[in-house]
Amino acid sequence: SYALTQPPSVSVSPGQTAYITCSGENLGRKYVCWYQQKPGQSPVLVIYQDAKRPSGIPERFSGSNSGNTATLTISGTQAMDEADYYCQAWDTSAHYVFGTGTKVTVL
Amino acid sequence: VQLVQTGGGLIPPGGSLRLSCAASGLTVGSNYMTWVRQPPGKGLEWVSILYGGGRTYYADSVKGRFTFSRDISKNTVYLQLNSLRAEDTAVYYCARDLDGGGYYGMDVWGQGTTVTVSS
Repeated sequence: SYALTQPPSVSVSPGQTAYITCSGENLGRKYVCWYQQKPGQSPVLVIYQDAKRPSGIPERFSGSNSGNTATLTISGTQAMDEADYYCQAWDTSAHYVFGTGTKVTVL
Repeated sequence: VQLVQTGGGLIPPGGSLRLSCAASGLTVGSNYMTWVRQPPGKGLEWVSILYGGGRTYYADSVKGRFTFSRDISKNTVYLQLNSLRAEDTAVYYCARDLDGGGYYGMDVWGQGTTVTVSS
């Protein structure tokens, strides 16, 4: 079955750039979405179609996808960005697959 | 646009439960709707999708035990959970899926409801 792997945690200093990776076989051939989830809250869509931002999502969130790896980039990271982040892709056999999740800590 | 969930609770193994997700600001009959769950302290897991035409698909882990349905007159979707197991313990979220194929993502989420399977 198709699997998406993310690093368990990423630490970043305020104002610096955070890179969150998502790895899967030939992931670059699929579209990837990214979700942010803060403790006790429902997920929020922050990126769709690899690199597009929904209305209301700050420009500091960006995405890319090539080869076997998709990346969510948070530029000028703020304390409010501390959360869990999940990638998601659609697979023909499994339908939706979520990544393992990455906890972003802003130190 | 809002999804309000009800249902959930403590259920013994082998039991059944129905979760509800009432929509406002969107029409469940003309949208793709999904269920996603999250076991305690773990990541998100896709459960099921209901396409606008009425087709449903399920994760292998729940196939044959869970049923996704809708009542257009009530603008509500439901997830019937049967033959519950301890590993079904999770927070269950309903969400709107903008395209049903992973392009535009799930843009509206319910608040989540907790299902605990335990004797």
